[in-house]
Amino acid sequence: DTGVSQNPRHKITKRGQNVTFRCDPISEHNRLYWYRQTLGQGPEFLTYFQNEAQLEKSRLLSDRFSAERPKGSFSTLEIQRTEQGDSAMYLCASSLGSGIPNEQFFGPGTRLTVL
Amino acid sequence: DAKTTQPNSMESNEEEPVHLPCNHSTISGTDYIHWYRQLPSQGPEYVIHGLTSNVNNRMASLAIAEDRKSSTLILHRATLRDAAVYYCILRYGNKLVFGAGTILRVKS
Repeated sequence: DTGVSQNPRHKITKRGQNVTFRCDPISEHNRLYWYRQTLGQGPEFLTYFQNEAQLEKSRLLSDRFSAERPKGSFSTLEIQRTEQGDSAMYLCASSLGSGIPNEQFFGPGTRLTVL
Repeated sequence: DAKTTQPNSMESNEEEPVHLPCNHSTISGTDYIHWYRQLPSQGPEYVIHGLTSNVNNRMASLAIAEDRKSSTLILHRATLRDAAVYYCILRYGNKLVFGAGTILRVKS
């Protein structure tokens, strides 16, 4: 399967713990995006990378959140000192280039539950 | 961000056409209209996009009003596998700005 993969698929943690998610994009895609989706809502943009450079961050991305893409391939999203409000599906997407339509290919997501 | 308005839910019979409307009265001249859909327990997937002219692809057709303030996604023959949340999105820079979308239910 050459699609976007995300690990783990599910994570349950206690409030105050740190968690890290991984995203492996489609191999030739130079752009990588993170979104967050809560129940009944559409995904919300968090941040995106072009190669290893993080070019845009949403105001939703508090200082407890950090994302990296060290070699321009896979990416990690870390949440420190998790809160119950962080419970959501975290989606990763990748795309090739920036032209229209710049179709974004999404992974299956990581569902985070903070107890 | 320019806003889109979609019905919360729609229902269709299998093998019949489905017309999913979207209003985007604040659209700017350079905004492309994108449609994505999200099947249960999956990430969103691209369906179609357009700027001014109507568009067709293997999945669907997109009809865009002449004033571009509204558009309609057309599934020509709905199947049970088309049951999903359909999002109408005005492309804003490099990110997709999703609304709540339309839940499409398909009855057999």
